Amino acid sequence: SQTIHQWPATLVQPVGSPLSLECTVEGTSNPNLYWYRQAAGRGLQLLFYSVGIGQISSEVPQNLSASRPQDRQFILSSKKLLLSDSGFYLCAWSVIQHTEAFFGQGTRLTVV
Amino acid sequence: GQQVMQIPQYQHVQEGEDFTTYCNSSTTLSNIQWYKQRPGGHPVFLIQLVKSGEVKKQKRLTFQFGEAKKNSSLHITATQTTDVGTYFCAGLTSGTYKYIFGTGTRLKVLA
Repeated sequence: SQTIHQWPATLVQPVGSPLSLECTVEGTSNPNLYWYRQAAGRGLQLLFYSVGIGQISSEVPQNLSASRPQDRQFILSSKKLLLSDSGFYLCAWSVIQHTEAFFGQGTRLTVV
Repeated sequence: GQQVMQIPQYQHVQEGEDFTTYCNSSTTLSNIQWYKQRPGGHPVFLIQLVKSGEVKKQKRLTFQFGEAKKNSSLHITATQTTDVGTYFCAGLTSGTYKYIFGTGTRLKVLA
């Protein structure tokens, strides 16, 4: 069966520090991968999505970047965190376009 | 860009009352999905609607997709405390891989 792993679960980082969040999917090949951010009590904002290795589409200009170094690995990074980067970051995958998305457990990031 | 709005933003109901959330897209959708997120958890897929005017039921939940494929609704009959959470719609546009989520409706059920 397919599973998605996202870590860490919680993270407290100082302003200006770098960030690296990792997401891996098991049990499937060539998944579509997504990074979402959810501010407290708010909706899900699509940040990046990828339909293949090395292919990244950015939805919102910001100081975050994403990479897909392997088929089932999706990484969210920042060189210097801002206070406004705080939030709940969710990785998700789908088999093909227009099928259900499966979400990871999320990373709760607090920038202090 | 494409926007998906949901109303209401919050809803408090007494256990046993009905609940409805509405989802409206600024563009025509190829299909729409609904997710439920429990407090502190991650979104979990509920259902997908594809056809214009489609209606699907899951026990006490009824999902509708509008004729113009720009709006949708989720209705819960006789709410229970287990229904607590935030309900999101997610619209997909033909030719894209992007799930654009609605703003969500947070449901609280009072026992």
